[in-house]
Amino acid sequence: EDQVTQSPEALRLQEGESSSLNCSYTVSGLRGLFWYRQDPGKGPEFLFTLYSAGEEKEKERLKATLTKKESFLHITAPKPEDSATYLCAVRTTSGTYKYIFGTGTRLKVLA
Amino acid sequence: EAQVTQNPRYLITVTGKKLTVTCSQNMNHEYMSWYRQDPGLGLRQIYYSMNVEVTDKGDVPEGYKVSRKEKRNFPLILESPSPNQTSLYFCASSRLGGASDTQYFGPGTRLTVL
Repeated sequence: EDQVTQSPEALRLQEGESSSLNCSYTVSGLRGLFWYRQDPGKGPEFLFTLYSAGEEKEKERLKATLTKKESFLHITAPKPEDSATYLCAVRTTSGTYKYIFGTGTRLKVLA
Repeated sequence: EAQVTQNPRYLITVTGKKLTVTCSQNMNHEYMSWYRQDPGLGLRQIYYSMNVEVTDKGDVPEGYKVSRKEKRNFPLILESPSPNQTSLYFCASSRLGGASDTQYFGPGTRLTVL
């Protein structure tokens, strides 16, 4: 069964304290791995798409990486405005156009 | 402005009273999808559509219907809502395939079924 697991569930960081969020996946075949940011009461906002192992993408303080079994979202020197829930999703090659989401990591960055 | 809109944003209803949540996008996207988000369960896909008159089930389609008569609109229909359909619903759209299949999400509809 296709599955996406994110860890940790919640993370508290001091401003400037770098860390990584994990997204591990078990799928029949990967057509894309997506990272989103979600603020309370709002829809997910797109961050990155990764398509193949070894691929990396960066945006400001965020960097996403992909291996054959997992993806990491690295946050360098975070600021309080980076506080949000970060969601990971995959699309598989199973012949359908379904997306499977993880349950997210709630990040709180303290000033 | 490129966007996905949903209406209503908040809805309280009673068991069994049919309702429709509308979703519209102005980006000429082929793909549209509905999700529900529940605490501890994350986002789960209800239905999706790859183009006009083409729809398919996601992981949790029971109790829901959809239609895609126009490219820009993808309404979600609850024929006989029940309390277990109380949730936060999101509509999303994207292009199909390649490097442009990023989903853009609407603002959400919070539904309470009493």
